[in-house]
Amino acid sequence: GAVVSQHPSWVICKSGTSVKIECRSLDFQATTMFWYRQFPKQSLMLMATSNEGSKATYEQGVEKDKFLINHASLTLSTLTVTSAHPEDSSFYICSARDPQHIEQYFGPGTRLTVT
Amino acid sequence: DAKTTQPTSMDCAEGRAANLPCNHSTISGNEYVYWYRQIHSQGPQYIIHGLKNNETNEMASLIITEDRKSSTLILPHATLRDTAVYYCIVRPDNTNAGKSTFGDGTTLTVKP
Repeated sequence: GAVVSQHPSWVICKSGTSVKIECRSLDFQATTMFWYRQFPKQSLMLMATSNEGSKATYEQGVEKDKFLINHASLTLSTLTVTSAHPEDSSFYICSARDPQHIEQYFGPGTRLTVT
Repeated sequence: DAKTTQPTSMDCAEGRAANLPCNHSTISGNEYVYWYRQIHSQGPQYIIHGLKNNETNEMASLIITEDRKSSTLILPHATLRDTAVYYCIVRPDNTNAGKSTFGDGTTLTVKP
């Protein structure tokens, strides 16, 4: 099946710094990608929908100025956590849908720890 | 997206069939049933999906009731590697409906 990659797989940063997470679709072009966040022992929570060439659509309660999303190409979306705080520590997962199929493919996730 | 209800946890003996139920009583006519699973600290993995008919692939079978208000995912011969959280999701199949709303899922533990 289609593959979605994320980089880095884990990152530790200091409070107040910014962190960028990349999501790539490796063998298909994705006009739409999705970003999720998952806290320990909880389910995935959709943060935003990333649309190639246009602004992202954020879910209610997600600060767009804190979680910057850029979808500059059909195979790459980035999530930047700005001015990170310890409460932003979480597992961030992206997903993409291959237009040729209806399945949604998920990346392996990025573990962010803010100290 | 329609809300789904799944049992919090289930156990299954290795080698036996695992039957995971899901209720989706408010499902709309254009909504598909999808199943994903998430092994600890990994991204979710697609398993199977269906609309009305029962479906089978190399991983599992999906049985959807005639009224479409519930479904069952069947892992025919569960192995220890099938231990994971299983999510049942319903969503329309169109290009703008890729986003999936995850419930709490069922934690399946396969025991030796």
